[in-house]
Amino acid sequence: AQKVTQAQTEISVVEKEDVTLDCVYETRDTTYYLFWYKQPPSGELVFLIRRNSFDEQNEISGRYSWNFQKSTSSFNFTITASQVVDSAVYFCALSYTGGFKTIFGAGTRLFVKA
Amino acid sequence: GAVVSQHPSWVICKSGTSVKIECRSLDFQATTMFWYRQFPKQSLMLMATSNEGSKATYEQGVEKDKFLINHASLTLSTLTVTSAHPEDSSFYICSARIDRGHGTEAFFGQGTRLTVV
Repeated sequence: AQKVTQAQTEISVVEKEDVTLDCVYETRDTTYYLFWYKQPPSGELVFLIRRNSFDEQNEISGRYSWNFQKSTSSFNFTITASQVVDSAVYFCALSYTGGFKTIFGAGTRLFVKA
Repeated sequence: GAVVSQHPSWVICKSGTSVKIECRSLDFQATTMFWYRQFPKQSLMLMATSNEGSKATYEQGVEKDKFLINHASLTLSTLTVTSAHPEDSSFYICSARIDRGHGTEAFFGQGTRLTVV
């Protein structure tokens, strides 16, 4: 079965703290894609990153970094020096071959306090 | 990236009426689009897969007669919520699939917030 688990329902941090959002996935497919999306209060989904199953290289984009580990089926997301504008719900998602359906985790609501 | 536009962004309708939501791929052709529903403080749940020129494929538990999907062209899919009731109030988001040389990607619309009163 295909599944995405985001165990952290809510996280609250103070500005400038680093924060890591966890994501664990399950799939039987050997070819799949993992995503992170940000959903601010306005509701639209903001694409953050896409990673395919054959690329385990970690990635850094500004204050954002991602750690993809196939051995533990995890795709964690770290925000360094968090800012109030980072407050949002973050979704980890999995797309797999055979239709490219995207399955979302339950989301992690991040509160960054000034 | 490619642009997917949803219309309207929000709608309020009376119970018992029908509401149509449009999902357009603006700068690419999408043979496959997906419709999701998101209840407050919950995740996005896939409702159906919309294929151009054929019937939509609905996920288990989604009433196909209540949520009519039409994908009549390569750039437009519509979701019609028929005989809407307050429990249908939700955030509806579409995505469009595009096949690129380096892989397949999906782009999301901005969502439609439906309130049934």
